Amino acid sequence: GDSVTQMEGPVTLSEEAFLTINCTYTATGYPSLFWYVQYPGEGLQLLLKATKADDKGSNKGFEATYRKETTSFHLEKGSVQVSDSAVYFCALSLQGGSEKLVFGKGTKLTVNP
Amino acid sequence: SAVISQKPSRDICQRGTSLTIQCQVDSQVTMMFWYRQQPGQSLTLIATANQGSEATYESGFVIDKFPISRPNLTFSTLTVSNMSPEDSSIYLCSGRTGVGAETQYFGPGTRLLVL
Repeated sequence: GDSVTQMEGPVTLSEEAFLTINCTYTATGYPSLFWYVQYPGEGLQLLLKATKADDKGSNKGFEATYRKETTSFHLEKGSVQVSDSAVYFCALSLQGGSEKLVFGKGTKLTVNP
Repeated sequence: SAVISQKPSRDICQRGTSLTIQCQVDSQVTMMFWYRQQPGQSLTLIATANQGSEATYESGFVIDKFPISRPNLTFSTLTVSNMSPEDSSIYLCSGRTGVGAETQYFGPGTRLLVL
């Protein structure tokens, strides 16, 4: 079945460090790919998305590129801030039909000043 | 966009009891969903809440254990029945304002501990 595998956490970085959170997927069709972020005490928020191969999603300095050849959608940020501390979820949705979301396990990021 | 609230935010319950979680959306949504997030696991879809009819359950989830209501386009409830410690999880409500997963918004979750 369709699945998402995320880098195990937790991840702890110093402010201004480079961030990469790995995400790979398995899907029978051509999924849309998403990164969600969950700040403490809040609901999941859509951070960025990509709907087809080679698309790059970007938002708030975060980027992820849809790589069909490696079935990956790694999240990157060049310089993290303390305010980026949160749990990050990679997810996929198959286009058409009900488009249910399938999530990875989440990666907790802590950024220290 | 949509803002989704849940009640209660957390609870500690005794085994064998039931808990009803409420989900309120500040605007009408086309679809509503309930997810479970067990410790160290990903979000798992329990069911799609359908207005005015029975919810559509995913494999492994049944109505007797997780009865769901959706009386209108902005409100839904999930009941966790006859609870056991294995039901200790975060339960999340979600709603879509349009077509496609990118229109989906999530509540903050209800953290449940069953003793």
